[in-house]
Amino acid sequence: GQQLNQSPQSMFIQEGEDVSMNCTSSSIFNTWLWYKQDPGEGPVLLIALYKAGELTSNGRLTAQFGITRKDSFLNISASIPSDVGIYFCAGAGGSGGSNYKLTFGKGTLLTVNP
Amino acid sequence: GAVVSQHPSWVICKSGTSVKIECRSLDFQATTMFWYRQFPKQSLMLMATSNEGSKATYEQGVEKDKFLINHASLTLSTLTVTSAHPEDSSFYICSASSRAGTGELFFGEGSRLTVL
Repeated sequence: GQQLNQSPQSMFIQEGEDVSMNCTSSSIFNTWLWYKQDPGEGPVLLIALYKAGELTSNGRLTAQFGITRKDSFLNISASIPSDVGIYFCAGAGGSGGSNYKLTFGKGTLLTVNP
Repeated sequence: GAVVSQHPSWVICKSGTSVKIECRSLDFQATTMFWYRQFPKQSLMLMATSNEGSKATYEQGVEKDKFLINHASLTLSTLTVTSAHPEDSSFYICSASSRAGTGELFFGEGSRLTVL
């Protein structure tokens, strides 16, 4: 089945620093999504990407859908304490998979020191 | 974004009892909803796809008789954990898409199940 490799597994940064995390896949996806999950909560959608090469921003967040459709990155600029949480990438569709069924990365735990 | 709500947020039950978790799409109709399970410090694992008016589709290794799914309306899906055991303790999360075919899923708040 489709698998996603998400890195890094965890990050410890100072407030104000920029952050970058990425996901790679062994197969192609039609859609890449980035979610943030706070403890005890469901994931919240941050950015959705639908086209290869697409670069999309949401406030301090920027994400790109790789040209090969097998990778995506998420950047967070000027981090603040409330950015703390687990960030998940997810892919949907492609390689015969349903556009509804998501494959999740293992998550990146972000800690921001004030 | 679209709103998906789960109830209860947390539940504690005795071993052998059954527990029902509800998932509602509050501001859109969802013909398809998804149920995930998440263990501590792990990613979300898809359990089943809930289809309105028809039987759910279960992922490999998920017992359909153990995890009963009912999707009776376009805004409600329920997951019933039957004869729960301590190993069923987990965080259960549902999701739904407000736009067909986009893969853009919105998640509920999750339900923490603890089986004693």
